[in-house]
Amino acid sequence: EVQLVESGGDLVKPGGSLRLSCAASGFTFINAWMSWVRQAPGKGLEWIGRIKSKTDGETTDYAAPVKGRFTISRDDSKNTLYLQMNSLKIEDTAVYYCSTILGLPRGYWGQGTLVTVSS
Amino acid sequence: DIVMTQSPLSLTVTPGEPASISCRSSQNLLHSNGYKYLDWYLQKPGQSPQILISLGSNRASGVPDRFSGSGSGTDFTLKISRVEAEDVGIYYCMQALQTPITFGQGTRLEIK
Repeated sequence: EVQLVESGGDLVKPGGSLRLSCAASGFTFINAWMSWVRQAPGKGLEWIGRIKSKTDGETTDYAAPVKGRFTISRDDSKNTLYLQMNSLKIEDTAVYYCSTILGLPRGYWGQGTLVTVSS
Repeated sequence: DIVMTQSPLSLTVTPGEPASISCRSSQNLLHSNGYKYLDWYLQKPGQSPQILISLGSNRASGVPDRFSGSGSGTDFTLKISRVEAEDVGIYYCMQALQTPITFGQGTRLEIK
């Protein structure tokens, strides 16, 4: 069974940093392209970025609102995906999901972790 | 960026009746490999999104056959042949053709 479990969400002040983790199981993580997607309170889904598999170059791509502030990485030895978030803004407040919306296995999401940016 | 536009934004349906949601993209979602990079997701209240349809018309594992996806180019449709109470939630279309990956605004389905 595919499982994605996010952790690391917290209350942080504007300008602060946070690192989210996503533990994956039930599929061959090393081959998967992984994405982070967020959802602000009461709003729709917003893709943040993705990282390809090592075989495909482990390249990353980001949405404009987070480019230069957020970094996606992976540790295939631990089946874990990361999202390093720096220079956080109030508008980054959201539930953050890791997901396999690209590639295979397609369409799996974690339960999400809440990040609140507030002074 | 590819803009995804859904309609209607809300829908109230009597159980047993059909429902249809439209999704239009600002660019053709047909890849040179022949696949249409359009997926449909349902986010039930208080839950994470779950995939319903991938690549335009492929029903995901475990998804009831009352759900179907169709369309091509820039116009896609999700149909529910007979709505059930458990189908309430917000439906999103998503293009996976190119980054940034973009979602429609969402269509809220309620039961009458």
